[in-house]
Amino acid sequence: GEDVEQSLFLSVREGDSSVINCTYTDSSSTYLYWYKQEPGAGLQLLTYIFSNMDMKQDQRLTVLLNKKDKHLSLRIADTQTGDSAIYFCAESKGTYKYIFGTGTRLKVLA
Amino acid sequence: NAGVTQTPKFQVLKTGQSMTLQCAQDMNHNSMYWYRQDPGMGLRLIYYSASEGTTDKGEVPNGYNVSRLNKREFSLRLESAAPSQTSVYFCASSELAGGLTEAFFGQGTRLTVV
Repeated sequence: GEDVEQSLFLSVREGDSSVINCTYTDSSSTYLYWYKQEPGAGLQLLTYIFSNMDMKQDQRLTVLLNKKDKHLSLRIADTQTGDSAIYFCAESKGTYKYIFGTGTRLKVLA
Repeated sequence: NAGVTQTPKFQVLKTGQSMTLQCAQDMNHNSMYWYRQDPGMGLRLIYYSASEGTTDKGEVPNGYNVSRLNKREFSLRLESAAPSQTSVYFCASSELAGGLTEAFFGQGTRLTVV
């Protein structure tokens, strides 16, 4: 996804917090999304944020949105080995099309 | 509830061969998509179908064709496979709900073209 950028890799120790960052380009996106891809599987929606919100918290997940800088982040508190996966941010263009980021591979070290 | 089902899961093709990837969803969604996933490039949209009877090109449509057979099924055809089409292919479906669109993905098809 050329319009949505993420760093490719992140490695953290079990129990630490993980922060995955994303920059996007389309300021008209109504919702921004985080998807998780576990090994050998398709993507599953993890969480989302409405564009008029700055923050959304959902158990161990915190999503921060900075519309001015077009920056989205996902924080995972108390990261577990089961959180090891690829995380994609995505924006929706129009009503039908998603644009996905390059994905960040999170590796959790025991 | 099967969700989105893709077949086959794995395929090896020789350069120049043709094949069709099948996708079906049982969630009564209007919109369906085909993506390819390549290392370091994320998911790139090949084609999408906003509703039954319509199809549109995405970011990387060259070398592919699609058919929206009915509301449930959306197939992707490679007429003459090339090594550059070696990738993991994902089908997805979605329904717009108040501006929020959750996409549901199949398990993927790992295609190797030799």
